[in-house]
This record gives sequence, structure tokens and C-alpha cells, in this order.
Amino acid sequence: GEDVEQSLFLSVREGDSSVINCTYTDSSSTYLYWYKQEPGAGLQLLTYIFSNMDMKQDQRLTVLLNKKDKHLSLRIADTQTGDSAIYFCAVGTNRGKLIFGQGTELSVKP
Amino acid sequence: NAGVTQTPKFQVLKTGQSMTLQCAQDMNHNSMYWYRQDPGMGLRLIYYSASEGTTDKGEVPNGYNVSRLNKREFSLRLESAAPSQTSVYFCASSEVLGSYEQYFGPGTRLTVT
Repeated sequence: GEDVEQSLFLSVREGDSSVINCTYTDSSSTYLYWYKQEPGAGLQLLTYIFSNMDMKQDQRLTVLLNKKDKHLSLRIADTQTGDSAIYFCAVGTNRGKLIFGQGTELSVKP
Repeated sequence: NAGVTQTPKFQVLKTGQSMTLQCAQDMNHNSMYWYRQDPGMGLRLIYYSASEGTTDKGEVPNGYNVSRLNKREFSLRLESAAPSQTSVYFCASSEVLGSYEQYFGPGTRLTVT
């Protein structure tokens, strides 16, 4: 079946860039997503990218998609302590459902 | 708009007890979902409802049942709780199945002893 993999932890210093990586197996995914989960809360959509795009930029966020390697990344520029959260990569399947990665816990140290 | 609401927020059950988790959305969405979140495993889909009147199994349906009561409400029932069902449960909704965004509730933290 489809699989989405992420590393579990990332620690950065405030002001640095953060890069969260994700690999997936379902090459038919049309949309790929990044969701953010703050402590004690549900998930919120952060950004998404269509499979026919290589890059999408949205303020401090840059999403890169390498379809050949089935690799998705999320770069957060000028990372702030408020960015500390769990970030989930998700891919849309051709049956209309989302497959989530394990989540990467981002810790931002002042 | 409240978005997606879930009750209760916390629950402790003994093994073998039953309970129903409630979920409601006020966005007039057609599709609704139940996920469980376990450390290191991300979110796994338990059941989903593409539209009112339909329900389908997701990745981990064993030990659960669901009811799509109407367009707004989608409940998850544990008939005989087991410690392996200790988890955080999230309900989500989307405009239609395959919509690019799912909206999540705040979650229910369930402990089964």
C-alpha cells in the first residue's frame, strides 16, 4: 500500500532555516500536503502543492517536490519559537483519501 | 462557525467498556473521517463517510463502528474497549472526498486501562 515516511525530530535555533523532509511511494498522488499540529490541537493545513509543480513559495514557506525521487520537503525560513509544532506530510490517494507520515516534531531553541 | 467539534475531550475507560465519540461539523461538508494518532505512527484512518448515508473502512477499522447520523454528525463507537485502543482520536471533514483540504477537530484523548 501507500507509504509516507518522515524523520521524527528536528531541532533548530531561532532565526535559522528548517527543512523537513518526506518520502512517499504513491506516484499517482495529485496533491501533496503539509499539515501543522500545535500542542493539544488538531491538524491545520499549512500548504499544499500540485504534483505538476516543482516548487511553491508562500511567505516564509517553500515546498519542493522531486517527483522522480518521490521526495517532498518543507523549508521554513527565519524559524521562530512559534513554529515549534509537529509537521505532517500527507499525500492524496486516487481513492480520495489522505495518507499521513509519522510527523516531524520541530523544536526551535531561542 | 465552530468548524469541527468533538466530544468528549478526554475519556478513561476500563477494558471491556463501551463508548461513543461524537463529531459534528457546521461547514456543510459531504465527507467526514475518523483517525487515530499514535506516537511515531502519524494519523491512521479508521473509517470514513464519503457522503450522508455511506460509510467505509479505512486502514485500521477493527474494534470500531461508525454511524453517519446526518450530514453534520459522524460518531465512532468502541463496543468493547481494549488497551490497544488508547490513542488520540481526530474527526475531520472535507467538502467532498478528495477535496484538497481536510478540517480537523481538536481531538479526544482516550485511555483504556
